[in-house]
Amino acid sequence: DTAVSQTPKYLVTQMGNDKSIKCEQNLGHDTMYWYKQDSKKFLKIMFSYNNKELIINETVPNRFSPKSPDKAHLNLHINSLELGDSAVYFCASSQAEQGDYGYTFGSGTRLTVV
Amino acid sequence: QKEVEQDPGPLSVPEGAIVSLNCTYSNSAFQYFMWYRQYSRKGPELLMYTYSSGNKEDGRFTAQVDKSSKYISLFIRDSQPSDSATYLCAMSDWNNRLAFGKGNQVVVIP
Repeated sequence: DTAVSQTPKYLVTQMGNDKSIKCEQNLGHDTMYWYKQDSKKFLKIMFSYNNKELIINETVPNRFSPKSPDKAHLNLHINSLELGDSAVYFCASSQAEQGDYGYTFGSGTRLTVV
Repeated sequence: QKEVEQDPGPLSVPEGAIVSLNCTYSNSAFQYFMWYRQYSRKGPELLMYTYSSGNKEDGRFTAQVDKSSKYISLFIRDSQPSDSATYLCAMSDWNNRLAFGKGNQVVVIP
């Protein structure tokens, strides 16, 4: 009955590879996000989608491409992986209406690039 | 200057002590203020949520917001070992863009 689920939980891959992380939410939320958490635990937003439409795109290398096939799914594809991409990636969702700003996070995908 | 400043220094307290955490911010557009708790190898979970200046209590947890000073706090009374986690402050504007502090690692020693 997981509210926001991400797969895989762990991903170890070599530099230069292309990989995808999948995220699904069953909360009926309108907005989904990808966050990156570095080794110092700092959470930084990467992308936000509202009803399949991109609304936030922070300064992220264009090797990162989000895809939202429907409002319950937001996947993250990463091309030509680099060592600096190693981090924990969190998917989250929320309701867009004002007054309900709590985000629900997935349990994270720990990406290690070797 | 980062939008949200939170001193990330680890904090160790004995069981039963009061834990005090705080954040400052620079963006006057922030209207909603939250505290998230993150256990090791888990995602952040929403702990407290406030909108206006003042205090909000929920069990052993109290969140304070002072918009005039751009300062928010979280207090944990009668701390327990199960409170050991990283606590992240977060705030958002009307566009629901959430900005996080760096997080405080709290260790409650039995």
